[in-house]
Amino acid sequence: EAGVAQSPRYKIIEKRQSVAFWCNPISGHATLYWYQQILGQGPKLLIQFQNNGVVDDSQLPKDRFSAERLKGVDSTLKIQPAKLEDSAVYLCASTGTGELFFGEGSRLTVL
Amino acid sequence: AQTVTQSQPEMSVQEAETVTLSCTYDTSESDYYLFWYKQPPSRQMILVIRQEAYKQQNATENRFSVNFQKAAKSFSLKISDSQLGDAAMYFCASDAGGTSYGKLTFGQGTILTVHP
Repeated sequence: EAGVAQSPRYKIIEKRQSVAFWCNPISGHATLYWYQQILGQGPKLLIQFQNNGVVDDSQLPKDRFSAERLKGVDSTLKIQPAKLEDSAVYLCASTGTGELFFGEGSRLTVL
Repeated sequence: AQTVTQSQPEMSVQEAETVTLSCTYDTSESDYYLFWYKQPPSRQMILVIRQEAYKQQNATENRFSVNFQKAAKSFSLKISDSQLGDAAMYFCASDAGGTSYGKLTFGQGTILTVHP
């Protein structure tokens, strides 16, 4: 069974530029999450999708972050414009009805 | 709201020995889940062990076991017969279950080094 796929694995941009991360969850998993992991800290939930609907985006900085899951499968997380403090690993996770499975993450460096 | 605290930034253990990682948490929920996740360098986070708060019996998965003290809000992880492959960052996490399942609150993590 394929795991949660994320791309790109690494991205370096300058502040005020934009960036997008893509996630393909495990087939059949209805629930998808994006977490932000700043170096030296535990991951923090940004947004939760159930199929193609947003369940919880209370922790998403909506002035610069956006996310979508149009067909209830793949998801995209966008940051525009990026700030230095957005440097982090962005983790995607999915679940059917049980265990949460994480991708390897997309590491963003903002210069 | 939930909070999770890991007070040990780093721990080390000799191969084949036993090590215990500490975690305390706070929650207002009556039903919740507690987890330990392992994150090897540049690899994905994987679930080590899970504990449902309503179960009094401590969870065990092969060499991994927990000491769940509900009244003290403590949830420690014991790794027996440590192996080199156990070296990683370990995160303690909680969620409120139900519709909040998967909305994890993580601790700061503990880096575990295993010496041969």
